[in-house]
Formats: sequence, C-alpha cells, structure tokens
Amino acid sequence: AQSVTQLGSHVSVSEGALVLLRCNYSSSVPPYLFWYVQYPNQGLQLLLKYTTGATLVKGINGFEAEFKKSETSFHLTKPSAHMSDAAEYFCAVSVSNDYKLSFGAGTTVTVRA
Amino acid sequence: EAGVAQSPRYKIIEKRQSVAFWCNPISGHATLYWYQQILGQGPKLLIQFQNNGVVDDSQLPKDRFSAERLKGVDSTLKIQPAKLEDSAVYLCASSPVQVNNSPLHFGNGTRLTVT
Repeated sequence: AQSVTQLGSHVSVSEGALVLLRCNYSSSVPPYLFWYVQYPNQGLQLLLKYTTGATLVKGINGFEAEFKKSETSFHLTKPSAHMSDAAEYFCAVSVSNDYKLSFGAGTTVTVRA
Repeated sequence: EAGVAQSPRYKIIEKRQSVAFWCNPISGHATLYWYQQILGQGPKLLIQFQNNGVVDDSQLPKDRFSAERLKGVDSTLKIQPAKLEDSAVYLCASSPVQVNNSPLHFGNGTRLTVT
C-alpha cells in the first residue's frame, strides 16, 4: 500500500522568502502525486499533480513541485511567500487503477510580515 | 460549475446521540468519497462510491457509521451512536468517472463536535 510522509508539521517563513515543504512517498508501483491546500474552515483545493511526463510540475499561485524517483520525494516550493499562502498543505499519493488518495499529516505554513 | 455542497457546516452533539451529514457532489461526477479529518491529521478515507455502489468501505467503522448514495447523486453519512473520538471534520469529495487520476473536488466539510 502507498503512503506519504510530510517532514515538519509547521513551517514559518518571512514574506518574500522561499517556501519549501517536504514530502516523501512509499509505493511499490509508479505513483501519482498531489499537493492540496486547505484554508481555514474550507475544503481542500488542488495545487498541482504529477502523473507522468515532466517531473517538474507547476501549479496555481506560483507553486511548483519536482518528482524525484530516486529520492522518492515530491517537495513543494514557492520562490517568494505571500501572506495569502498561510494555510495547511497536504501531500497525497495514489496509484494507477486505484484512485484512493492517501494523505500525509499536513504542514501548516505561517507567513511573517 | 457549482462545487460540492455539504450540510450542516457545524454540528455539536452529546456522546451516544446520532447525527447525519449530507453531500451533493458536482453534477455529473459519478465517484463520491467521504473523508474524516481529525484535528492535526490528514484526511482519512471512510467510504468511496461509484454511482450508487460501494467501491471501498474498508476504513468505515461499520458498527456505528453508515453511508448511502441513493440514485447515485446525493449521499448521507450517519453516525449512531457517536463517541467522543468521532469529533472531526467530515469532508465529502467527488470526481468524474473513468478519468484517470482526475483530482478530487472537496466540499467545505462538516465540523462535528461530540461532547
């Protein structure tokens, strides 16, 4: 079965600084990988996804993630943090023909002015 | 397009009472999911429907939880009787059928507090 580990439950960055959220996965078959964002009192919204092809994936709001098979990682980055990026971020994994998403525990991002 | 609708947004009940949550997925989405999100954790799948059939309910505590999706559209999740550890946000999500790895569309959830 596939699983996801998010390193760091809380990340604090200054406005304008790099945002880096770490995600490692475990899967016996090629995975599909996702990042979702959750703002307070809202549901989850897709940021980006990797299925096949280009390993550097660009998403909404200036976020991107790179799939590294050798490191079993799918870290999320944004070059310059904005106050509106304060939210909880979830990494998730599924595999082909079994669209059951397994989520990580989440990373809460706070942005300092 | 209209998003996934859930109601109520908040519910407070005492332990051993019963509660029901309602979900209306995006029109045309054949797959519907119920997730439980306990504070500080990622969402955990409770049950997955394809049209009105259950695809996966392996994580559903069937002694107290039940769910149905009559006519393959709306869905209801019920807890009876509730326990303190059921306090969580219950998220409904939907996705189109037979679109490989189409992202899930989530509702805003129902926050349940059991006292």
